[in-house]
Amino acid sequence: AQSVAQPEDQVNVAEGNPLTVKCTYSVSGNPYLFWYVQYPNRGLQFLLKYITGDNLVKGSYGFEAEFNKSQTSFHLKKPSALVSDSALYFCAVRDMYDGNQFYFGTGTSLTVIP
Amino acid sequence: GAGVSQSPSNKVTEKGKDVELRCDPISGHTALYWYRQSLGQGLEFLIYFQGNSAPDKSGLPSDRFSAERTGGSVSTLTIQRTQQEDSAVYLCASSLSTVNQPQHFGDGTRLSIL
Repeated sequence: AQSVAQPEDQVNVAEGNPLTVKCTYSVSGNPYLFWYVQYPNRGLQFLLKYITGDNLVKGSYGFEAEFNKSQTSFHLKKPSALVSDSALYFCAVRDMYDGNQFYFGTGTSLTVIP
Repeated sequence: GAGVSQSPSNKVTEKGKDVELRCDPISGHTALYWYRQSLGQGLEFLIYFQGNSAPDKSGLPSDRFSAERTGGSVSTLTIQRTQQEDSAVYLCASSLSTVNQPQHFGDGTRLSIL
């Protein structure tokens, strides 16, 4: 069965420090991986995706994510955190053999401390 | 261009009443999803529409919940005889049908049952 795990409910990081939000996945075929961000009282906003090719994917607002097939991980990263990055982050996977459905993690709340 | 539009943005109603929530997807998006999100929590899948295919209703929590999608565009989620546990944010998303495409979310309807 397809699934996504975000092991940390909460991540705190100081402004200017690098940040990492973790995500691991389980699919039966090749995965299509996505990161979304949710600000208060808003819907989810697409950040970036991995489909194929280079394992390091760059997305919006300076975020990037690294696909690691052997570890089945797709961690979200940013070299220097901003206070405005504070939000709820969701990882999602789509299985190429089950393309209809998106499977979401439970979300990680990121707080960037000034 | 226009994104996914949901209405109303907020709805307060009394227990036992019926409510209708509307979603207007991005033009040309054949896939449409409904999710429920409790305060600051993850996404609970409700129902998925893809083109003219029969919808995937596997996430609907009870027979009080139903959804329609007319003409392959606008969708309505109906909750009959509302209960207090139905209070949540209801999010709608649409996407192109190809598996490498992300979902685009509306800002949701915040439903409060008194």
